[in-house]
Amino acid sequence: QVQLQESGPGLVKPSGTLSLTCAVSGGSISSSNWWSWVRQSPGKGLEWIGEIYHSGSDNYNPSLKSRVTISVDKSTNQFSLKLNSVTAADTAVYYCARNRRVQGSRLGLDVWGQGTTVTVSS
Amino acid sequence: QSVLTQPPSASGTPGQWVTISCSGSSSNIGSNTVSWYQHLPGAAPKLVIYSNNQRPSGVPDRFSGSESGTSASLAVSGLQSEDEADYYCAAWDDSLNNVVFGGGTKLTVL
Repeated sequence: QVQLQESGPGLVKPSGTLSLTCAVSGGSISSSNWWSWVRQSPGKGLEWIGEIYHSGSDNYNPSLKSRVTISVDKSTNQFSLKLNSVTAADTAVYYCARNRRVQGSRLGLDVWGQGTTVTVSS
Repeated sequence: QSVLTQPPSASGTPGQWVTISCSGSSSNIGSNTVSWYQHLPGAAPKLVIYSNNQRPSGVPDRFSGSESGTSASLAVSGLQSEDEADYYCAAWDDSLNNVVFGGGTKLTVL
């Protein structure tokens, strides 16, 4: 059974870079699925950040695209999120999730990490 | 302002049947399938419906989904106290080239 676990600093300074890693266990990151990041700011709804495939193909939320990079490391079965020039508005719980695909069809975000809280503050 | 529109709240008494709507456009719901997520405070979101009307293994058959045109709905029958949560719809948007979520609906079991 695939499990995901986020890790990274819980506190980032304004204008700095938020860096998180998601470890995939119980399955290969090189499967047919894509791998996503989603966040929830305090008092707000879910916001999709972006996704990556093991080949390196990616898609990003247009509202964050200029500041976001998602990468994959097949050797360690992990994928990562980098968000630069952060402000207080980037304070949120960040989740990694598996975007299940079967023969190209999207079947939803079916496995989620527990989430990690990142606060942007000096 | 979310690309997909959901009512902010819904409620029902135990045993009742409740529906939550999700309205989109031709570039998202109109051309791609919808998934629904249950989000309890302090927990990770959980997929309860995918491909408009399919339930993942382990999700009770009290949960069902439907889609018509540019709208979708989540129905919960036989409402139970444990169903009290926030529910989000989501779909791929061909114009934005990303996954879009609804603003979420807080389901209260009275």
